[in-house]
Amino acid sequence: KAGVTQTPRYLIKTRGQQVTLSCSPISGHRSVSWYQQTPGQGLQFLFEYFSETQRNKGNFPGRFSGRQFSNSRSEMNVSTLELGDSALYLCASSLDGGGNTGELFFGEGSRLTVL
Amino acid sequence: AQSVTQLDSHVSVSEGTPVLLRCNYSSSYSPSLFWYVQHPNKGLQLLLKYTSAATLVKGINGFEAEFKKSETSFHLTKPSAHMSDAAEYFCVVSESWAGGGKLIFGQGTELSVKP
Repeated sequence: KAGVTQTPRYLIKTRGQQVTLSCSPISGHRSVSWYQQTPGQGLQFLFEYFSETQRNKGNFPGRFSGRQFSNSRSEMNVSTLELGDSALYLCASSLDGGGNTGELFFGEGSRLTVL
Repeated sequence: AQSVTQLDSHVSVSEGTPVLLRCNYSSSYSPSLFWYVQHPNKGLQLLLKYTSAATLVKGINGFEAEFKKSETSFHLTKPSAHMSDAAEYFCVVSESWAGGGKLIFGQGTELSVKP
């Protein structure tokens, strides 16, 4: 069974640009969550999608957005990039959201560097 | 609000010696607690979870954790460290509500294992 796949794995952008990251969940998983990992702030919850609807959202500015498609694949977008957006962005999938069971399956992440 | 505090940012042990990674939690009700591990350049993997059943929880790769309500602790232990245990470990509490939930991560403890 294939795991969670994130693309691209590495990317470099400049300030002011926008970026789109993609996540393909484990087959059958309907929930996709996104987390940002930085050395200073650690792992922080961005948002969760379930059956194409954003179900939960963390404390990030509106520049961070996402969506989920009917096949459960998800994308997140960051517009007007800032230096502080440099981070590892992790996608996690689960059957029902993981908030109750904690059983999230993580991808290897997309490492974004903003210059 | 729920939170977890990992008491050590870095722990170094020799191969074959015991491992202790400390975590305290704060929760206004009975929490669901987890430990995740992240190897370099990899996503996170669930080690074990506590969801109000047995207070001593066994996980993968020989790790255990004990839930102690009186001490608000959920420390991770392993009797004998292997070189392959070198990684970053995260103590996690889940916050759930009707229709969703999210994971709240501690700041992480980096475990080094010396030969």
